[in-house]
Amino acid sequence: DAGVTQSPTHLIKTRGQHVTLRCSPISGHKSVSWYQQVLGQGPQFIFQYYEKEERGRGNFPDRFSARQFPNYSSELNVNALLLGDSALYLCASSIGTGVETQYFGPGTRLLVL
Amino acid sequence: KQEVTQIPAALSVPEGENLVLNCSFTDSAIYNLQWFRQDPGKGLTSLLLIQSSQREQTSGRLNASLDKSSGRSTLYIAASQPGDSATYLCAVNSGGSNYKLTFGKGTLLTVNP
Repeated sequence: DAGVTQSPTHLIKTRGQHVTLRCSPISGHKSVSWYQQVLGQGPQFIFQYYEKEERGRGNFPDRFSARQFPNYSSELNVNALLLGDSALYLCASSIGTGVETQYFGPGTRLLVL
Repeated sequence: KQEVTQIPAALSVPEGENLVLNCSFTDSAIYNLQWFRQDPGKGLTSLLLIQSSQREQTSGRLNASLDKSSGRSTLYIAASQPGDSATYLCAVNSGGSNYKLTFGKGTLLTVNP
């Protein structure tokens, strides 16, 4: 069974641009969460979606948005990119609301120049 | 606000040694605690999940314990191998309106042949 997949694997953008990152959860999983991991730090929570509804939002500006589709895949959008948005963006899925084991994808490495 | 601390930040040991990684958290009202492994530039691999009602979990050479009242968890690795070299992250799930994970910064483990 395939694990959590994310695309693209790497991305280079310039300041002010926008970016869309994609995540496909494990088959049968209904919850998707997004995390940002800056080099040398632990991942920071951005969003959680369950059954296509936003269940939680971390301490990130409104430039960050996300959605979940009927097939439970998800997109993370970041507008007006800043240098500080350079990070590894991780997607995690879980079978239910998120209290269960969360399984992470390989991440998308975003570099903003 | 939940805060997670991991000690030590880095650890270097010779192959075959048993070792303990420490994790502490400030708010004992948690649903569960999860230990992850992260290889350089990669996503997170789930190692063990301990529910708040449990004291420990074991998987192969790994044993994780949880003392919720004191806000502490330990990850014990027996007979370490060079392939165990990675960053180990501890994350607590505090529940509430969403089931986000709050991570520590991790412990970078190097096992020398």
